[in-house]
Amino acid sequence: AQSVTQLDSQVPVFEEAPVELRCNYSSSVSVYLFWYVQYPNQGLQLLLKYLSGSTLVESINGFEAEFNKSQTSFHLRKPSVHISDTAEYFCAVKGGGSNYKLTFGKGTLLTVNP
Amino acid sequence: KAGVTQTPRYLIKTRGQQVTLSCSPISGHRSVSWYQQTPGQGLQFLFEYFSETQRNKGNFPGRFSGRQFSNSRSEMNVSTLELGDSALYLCASSPGGAGVGEQYFGPGTRLTVT
Repeated sequence: AQSVTQLDSQVPVFEEAPVELRCNYSSSVSVYLFWYVQYPNQGLQLLLKYLSGSTLVESINGFEAEFNKSQTSFHLRKPSVHISDTAEYFCAVKGGGSNYKLTFGKGTLLTVNP
Repeated sequence: KAGVTQTPRYLIKTRGQQVTLSCSPISGHRSVSWYQQTPGQGLQFLFEYFSETQRNKGNFPGRFSGRQFSNSRSEMNVSTLELGDSALYLCASSPGGAGVGEQYFGPGTRLTVT
């Protein structure tokens, strides 16, 4: 069985400040890791993913996440946030094989203030 | 390519009724998964269909069922609705073959049970 813990339910920051959203996972098998973002009244959008290879993955809008196997973490970071980054962020884990179930964390609400 | 579409977007039903939600996956995707999102329980996996067969199932009662058609479109049905079934129901599609199985989400159907 897999589980995901997002350590902060809410993270308020000021515009242009750096931010880190923390995610830890538990799994007995190799996993794939994802970050999704949800804007109000919308579905989930895939932000970035770790499949294999380089442990640092980046998205097109400046977010990055680093897979740390020893600490079973996949924290999301951005060096300078914008008002438009205000949203809820979900970390998710998926095992290998044909099991397509995503296990999600409870989410972190990022609020960027001017 | 068009994204995942879900209909209807909003639905209000009364306790005891049944409801059917529809999902059209991204063209070429053969796997469709359903998730329930509530403030209390977060995002929970309902089931996944691939090539018209249920391949994976979450821990939901038998009142929740689904099916997939030959064109990969999927429906989920909830019978004997309860107040606790009020939620955002999200559909996700994936290519479905060998590989990671990244999932792309639709905008969701907001179900309110009164």
